[in-house]
Amino acid sequence: IAGITQAPTSQILAAGRRMTLRCTQDMRHNAMYWYRQDLGLGLRLIHYSNTAGTTGKGEVPDGYSVSRANTDDFPLTLASAVPSQTSVYFCASSPNSGRGDEQFFGPGTRLTVL
Amino acid sequence: AQTVTQSQPEMSVQEAETVTLSCTYDTSESNYYLFWYKQPPSRQMILVIRQEAYKQQNATENRFSVNFQKAAKSFSLKISDSQLGDTAMYFCAFMKLGGAQKLVFGQGTRLTINP
Repeated sequence: IAGITQAPTSQILAAGRRMTLRCTQDMRHNAMYWYRQDLGLGLRLIHYSNTAGTTGKGEVPDGYSVSRANTDDFPLTLASAVPSQTSVYFCASSPNSGRGDEQFFGPGTRLTVL
Repeated sequence: AQTVTQSQPEMSVQEAETVTLSCTYDTSESNYYLFWYKQPPSRQMILVIRQEAYKQQNATENRFSVNFQKAAKSFSLKISDSQLGDTAMYFCAFMKLGGAQKLVFGQGTRLTINP
């Protein structure tokens, strides 16, 4: 079934540990995104990639890094997790950027940093 | 920077009633898109409806329609004949046309449809 997969589904992490959230899409979309969802704040963009090999910063990029080595994968890394990074993380993709295309979302990863 | 405001944190209606969710936004852009996304308890984000700012006609998708007032920067969602499956968080979102396709979301409205 075409779509976006994220792993893990949920994770509890000790502060200071490194963590990579995985995201894979099989729709051959050019653009991919990472959002975090916090109660009362909606979803906020962390990083994005318009095409393989390029990345950009979103609204809340501090403490996170991404890479886009190929079209399908867009991992999000927390180099040294802090409790304020406790959130639900969504990966999304769209056919292209800049044209108002619908963004398709993955199922999310619930991350708790203690 | 763009901002999106949803002033109704929670709403509750009876099944089969019509409900309207409010959304206002602030931008200096003239070309943009507006979206309503639904997030049921499953946590999956689902596109409900999309509106291009240059189109004066309000978008409709079956029981879902919008009232887009560009001058007032208002983008409300109307759900007609509400169903139990409409129970969800609803997010309004803004996207500037061109460049990186960044969605700016509102805080969300939790809608409950009661039997």
